[in-house]
Amino acid sequence: EIQLQESGPGLVKPSQSLSLTCSVTGYTITSGYDWSWIRKFPGNKMEWMGYISYSGSTNYNPSLKSRISITRDTSKNQFFLQLNSVTTEDTATYYCASMQPDYWGQGVMVTVSS
Amino acid sequence: DIQMTQSPPSLSASLGDKVTITCQASQNINKYIAWYQQKPGKAPRQLIRYTSTLVSGTPSRFSGSGSGRDYSFSISNVESEDIASYYCLQYDNLPLTFGSGTKLEIK
Repeated sequence: EIQLQESGPGLVKPSQSLSLTCSVTGYTITSGYDWSWIRKFPGNKMEWMGYISYSGSTNYNPSLKSRISITRDTSKNQFFLQLNSVTTEDTATYYCASMQPDYWGQGVMVTVSS
Repeated sequence: DIQMTQSPPSLSASLGDKVTITCQASQNINKYIAWYQQKPGKAPRQLIRYTSTLVSGTPSRFSGSGSGRDYSFSISNVESEDIASYYCLQYDNLPLTFGSGTKLEIK
């Protein structure tokens, strides 16, 4: 069974970088699928942030393109999110997922506050 | 970006009712729409993909239809376990975009 688990700090200061890790078990991320980051804001809006494919190519939401980076460590079967220059508007629950097929982590709440 | 206009924002239904949620895309999305259920504190769970294909494990009381820009999602015979928020997602074009969500409550 494929399982995903997010990890990272729950509190980030404004202007700093947000860094999260998604650990995948039950499947090798280089075998297939696109591995995405999605976030849900406090008002319940959901936003797809981007993905890294099984081949290592990336695709980002243009709304974030200048601030986002998704990378991976194939030896650890993990992929990562880095979001730079965060503001309070980046406060959200962050999910990692394969959206097709549908596997999601439980999500990690990140608050941006000084 | 393709905008997904979802309505209604909230629904109140009695057990056994049929409810319907709609999503209208800002352009033709060629039936590439999925529907998700999210319960409090849980990750979203895909129920339907490609407009009307039930994902394995989705009860048959859930259904989807539509084409072009207009799509709908229905729950017949609403059960208490259906209390959740529901979202549509278009995956015809990047960036993937979600509807604004519908919160289902039981009367």
